[in-house]
Amino acid sequence: GAVVSQHPSRVICKSGTSVKIECRSLDFQATTMFWYRQFPKQSLMLMATSNEGSKATYEQGVEKDKFLINHASLTLSTLTVTSAHPEDSSFYICSAKRPQSELFFGEGSRLTVL
Amino acid sequence: QKEVEQNSGPLSVPEGAIASLNCTYSDRGSQSFFWYRQYSGKSPELIMSIYSNGDKEDGRFTAQLNKASQYVSLLIRDSQPSDSATYLCAVNMVAGGTSYGKLTFGQGTILTVHP
Repeated sequence: GAVVSQHPSRVICKSGTSVKIECRSLDFQATTMFWYRQFPKQSLMLMATSNEGSKATYEQGVEKDKFLINHASLTLSTLTVTSAHPEDSSFYICSAKRPQSELFFGEGSRLTVL
Repeated sequence: QKEVEQNSGPLSVPEGAIASLNCTYSDRGSQSFFWYRQYSGKSPELIMSIYSNGDKEDGRFTAQLNKASQYVSLLIRDSQPSDSATYLCAVNMVAGGTSYGKLTFGQGTILTVHP
């Protein structure tokens, strides 16, 4: 079964609205989670590292005020795309490392901004 | 220059054949190497991880790593139509701490196994 779960799997929103995506580690605690983005026919690009109880670390070129990350508990990280625009339409994927195991990816969340 | 490079393909092989997927990386200090399989519309799933030079086998899959040549490959024996997917090479170019999740991905190779 799934080790890392994301919700929602698909979301369609109007331009200018904000969208929140949740990432949960299901049976382990994750002090660190990672958010990736994948545009059609392209590879995954790391957006940011989500740290429980502290600020996220963003990769170069990723706007921290646009992509708000909150890691309020050891099993939940959220990514909020603020004032979404059509160019933000993408497949957002989170990941977390299970102790004594490998990095697991969530199922992904496909965002479509109209 | 791309940090992790793969031939985007598509690579087409007949059922039962060996599929060979290749990947090169730019950072000589890279420590961890992964092959992921991604079906259309789905998130990546780990196929193999390899950390030291040589071959690592797991069922029909063999990963090969040559750090001197900065090259990692994946062989799929007895290819099946269900193996048809995009294969992503990923490299951890940052050592230490919580950087294990900071993977740099190649653009992926599309593999098609035809009956």
